[in-house]
Amino acid sequence: EAGVTQSPTHLIKTRGQQATLRCSPISGHTSVYWYQQALGLGLQFLLWYDEGEERNRGNFPPRFSGRQFPNYSSELNVNALELEDSALYLCASSLSGQGYRELFFGEGSRLTVL
Amino acid sequence: DQQVKQNSPSLSVQEGRISILNCDYTNSMFDYFLWYKKYPAEGPTFLISISSIKDKNEDGRFTVFLNKSAKHLSLHIVPSQPGDSAVYFCAAKNRGSTLGRLYFGRGTQLTVWP
Repeated sequence: EAGVTQSPTHLIKTRGQQATLRCSPISGHTSVYWYQQALGLGLQFLLWYDEGEERNRGNFPPRFSGRQFPNYSSELNVNALELEDSALYLCASSLSGQGYRELFFGEGSRLTVL
Repeated sequence: DQQVKQNSPSLSVQEGRISILNCDYTNSMFDYFLWYKKYPAEGPTFLISISSIKDKNEDGRFTVFLNKSAKHLSLHIVPSQPGDSAVYFCAAKNRGSTLGRLYFGRGTQLTVWP
């Protein structure tokens, strides 16, 4: 069974540009979560999607946005990139309403903003 | 504001000995705690968890201890093996919070040497 897949693995952008990151959850999982891991920091919760709807977002500015598609895959968009957006972006999926053991992470997309 | 703190960025232990990874938290509303392990170029994987109504949970070589009065938890690995070398993240869930919205520490790099 395929795990959570993310693309691209690496992405390099310049300040002011937009970045789009993609995530495919484990088959059967309807919830997708996005986390940011900046250098030297723990994972910071960004967004949670379930059944196509945004259910919750963390303390990030509105230029961080995303969506979930009917097939439950998701994309994260970061507009007006700033240098401090450089980080590893991790996607996780779970069955809706399941416990924390069911939170499965992908390998991440590393975004570098120059 | 870092609500989950792992004050030791690294720990080095000889194979066969005990590894003790520590985690402190500040939010008394946390009711569930987890440890994740992360190898390079891979996403974090769930290791072990504990509910706030317990003070100990054991799974094979891994034991997590929770001291609510001190707002402290620890992960014990006995005996340590070279394959345990990874970054370990402590995470916590806020009572009543969205499933999947976890608060992570910055991680501790464990190195187990032969």
